[in-house]
Amino acid sequence: QSALTQPASVSGSPGQSITISCTGTSSDVGGFDLVSWYQKHPGKAPKVIIYEVTKRPSGISDRFSGSKSGNTASLTISGLQAEDEADYYCCSYAVSNTPVIFGGGTKLTVL
Amino acid sequence: EVQLVESGGGLVKPGGSLRLSCEASGFSFSTYSMNWVRQAPGKGLEWISSISRSSGDIFYADLVKGRFTISRDNPKNSLFLHMESLRAEDTAIYFCARDVYCPSTTCLAWGMDVWGQGTTVTVSS
Repeated sequence: QSALTQPASVSGSPGQSITISCTGTSSDVGGFDLVSWYQKHPGKAPKVIIYEVTKRPSGISDRFSGSKSGNTASLTISGLQAEDEADYYCCSYAVSNTPVIFGGGTKLTVL
Repeated sequence: EVQLVESGGGLVKPGGSLRLSCEASGFSFSTYSMNWVRQAPGKGLEWISSISRSSGDIFYADLVKGRFTISRDNPKNSLFLHMESLRAEDTAIYFCARDVYCPSTTCLAWGMDVWGQGTTVTVSS
């Protein structure tokens, strides 16, 4: 099973909004509401910021939001802050020999 | 405090074996399904394996099927990953991660809400 497709990098200025896409197929992203997003700073453990497409864990800022349309899920970060600079990964259930797949990751740079 | 602490990583020769452990604290371990996820140097996250609350459902990534075995000991609040026939490409930081609570017996890909800091496995001669 191939990894989900994410842009390698995105950037934005403080206060702006950015969106990271995560494209799969009807056998993964499009077929199930089981998409999650993780933030990872270098040397730190990943942190879930969105699960089940749109749900935000307690303690996660409402600047982070998730959505899905067809085979593409999206993570939107509004009001960009310097501390948002990190790698972001999407993850989905897949009808496959490998039932949980991650995207390749997107490096967010806050200019 | 809800916490996961991995141990057992190290340097191993190609073809060798290693057993990773993950000790849970601060929550009812037997209530949650658990995962192992790894990150190779300079690469992205890669899901490896998942085990349900009672060990009744176990899943593996194709890349490790037949070589890795996940298990858990609920009374000891511990998760394990036994790795055999290790290859250079298994070199990575290995994280254990808790699934979000779900009402099903298996919470595969619902989301992983608690992560350990990881343990490093290096496969090299």
